[in-house]
Amino acid sequence: AQSVAQPEDQVNVAEGNPLTVKCTYSVSGNPYLFWYVQYPNRGLQFLLKYITGDNLVKGSYGFEAEFNKSQTSFHLKKPSALVSDSALYFCAVRDRDFNKFYFGSGTKLNVKP
Amino acid sequence: EPEVTQTPSHQVTQMGQEVILRCVPISNHLYFYWYRQILGQKVEFLVSFYNNEISEKSEIFDDQFSVERPDGSNFTLKIRSTKLEDSAMYFCASSEMRGGQETQYFGPGTRLLVL
Repeated sequence: AQSVAQPEDQVNVAEGNPLTVKCTYSVSGNPYLFWYVQYPNRGLQFLLKYITGDNLVKGSYGFEAEFNKSQTSFHLKKPSALVSDSALYFCAVRDRDFNKFYFGSGTKLNVKP
Repeated sequence: EPEVTQTPSHQVTQMGQEVILRCVPISNHLYFYWYRQILGQKVEFLVSFYNNEISEKSEIFDDQFSVERPDGSNFTLKIRSTKLEDSAMYFCASSEMRGGQETQYFGPGTRLLVL
């Protein structure tokens, strides 16, 4: 069965420090991988995606994600966190053959000043 | 920047009633989707729609649900005979093309509360 896991419900980090939000997946074949952010009372906003090529993907707002095929992971990273980064982050995968996304349960990122 | 819009932003209904959630996808997009997010839980795929028909649907999307693109702009989700457990945030999304290069753009959601 296809699945996406975000093992941490919440990540706390101090402003200016690097942050990592973890995501692992179990999808057959070579899926496409995405990160979305959700601010309170707002819809999901696209951050970045991995399709193929370089394992390090750069996205919006200074975020990047590293695709690791052997570990089936796609962790979201940022070198220096901002208070405004505080939000809910969702990892998603899309099967290459089917037009359907599978979302992780979300990780709440808290960046403290 | 173009965006997906959804109406209403909030809807309260009585159990057993029918609701219609409306979405206006980005104008040149061809693929449309509905997702739902029960409070505190993950986002779940409901259905995808292309060329005026359903292309894929999840096990959640049973006979209680239907989708329609009644004109060139709107994309609607109808929930018949609503149940308490239908209370959730419903997100519409659209994308330009099928295949790996697509990115789904989400609307702000409609919060449905069934009493």
